[in-house]
Amino acid sequence: GAGVSQSPSNKVTEKGKDVELRCDPISGHTALYWYRQRLGQGLEFLIYFQGNSAPDKSGLPSDRFSAERTGESVSTLTIQRTQQEDSAVYLCASSLEFWLAGATSGELFFGEGSRLTVL
Amino acid sequence: DAKTTQPPSMDCAEGRAANLPCNHSTISGNEYVYWYRQIHSQGPQYIIHGLKNNETNEMASLIITEDRKSSTLILPHATLRDTAVYYCIVSLRDDKIIFGKGTRLHILP
Repeated sequence: GAGVSQSPSNKVTEKGKDVELRCDPISGHTALYWYRQRLGQGLEFLIYFQGNSAPDKSGLPSDRFSAERTGESVSTLTIQRTQQEDSAVYLCASSLEFWLAGATSGELFFGEGSRLTVL
Repeated sequence: DAKTTQPPSMDCAEGRAANLPCNHSTISGNEYVYWYRQIHSQGPQYIIHGLKNNETNEMASLIITEDRKSSTLILPHATLRDTAVYYCIVSLRDDKIIFGKGTRLHILP
């Protein structure tokens, strides 16, 4: 596709339910990020995938959060036993490896986000 | 463990140059300076990045001091559409991008 695609765009769930959020990065982008943004707050780093390297999971807030990525394609962020504090917009971004990107190296391309509301 | 310090907010008159400062006194020799902005309800947008030299593109200019401990993002002719939160980020290439609190820029008509 032309850009980063995320689904669903909106998700309302009940406390305690599990949710899956999906991200389709731009084709050929080796790096993929997940961020969380609570209302009125900044972007909170969650996890980073770079090619075949082990993902950097240092931002995941608890073991209820996990993410997977198959190769250089789709990624899924899973939140188990959702809590009200999980309500936020979850943003996905992708980018080229530095040496491939050249002049645009370091540019992250963001999706529209998935808005999660936990009742 | 923020690597950058930015003022929480700034005002700028429409049509004037907006100069947004950023301090990164602990930057290492191979870390880049990136600038992004986030307009309300949208995902962040890349603006510019640099290592040592000043950089310019169609959106902005980036001025990095010789000691690399601070930088300034310049929007040469600010418009109302430039109202946003501006993030200054320091990172190694191919490393994760961590956003801080940024500067909320208000463009005044």
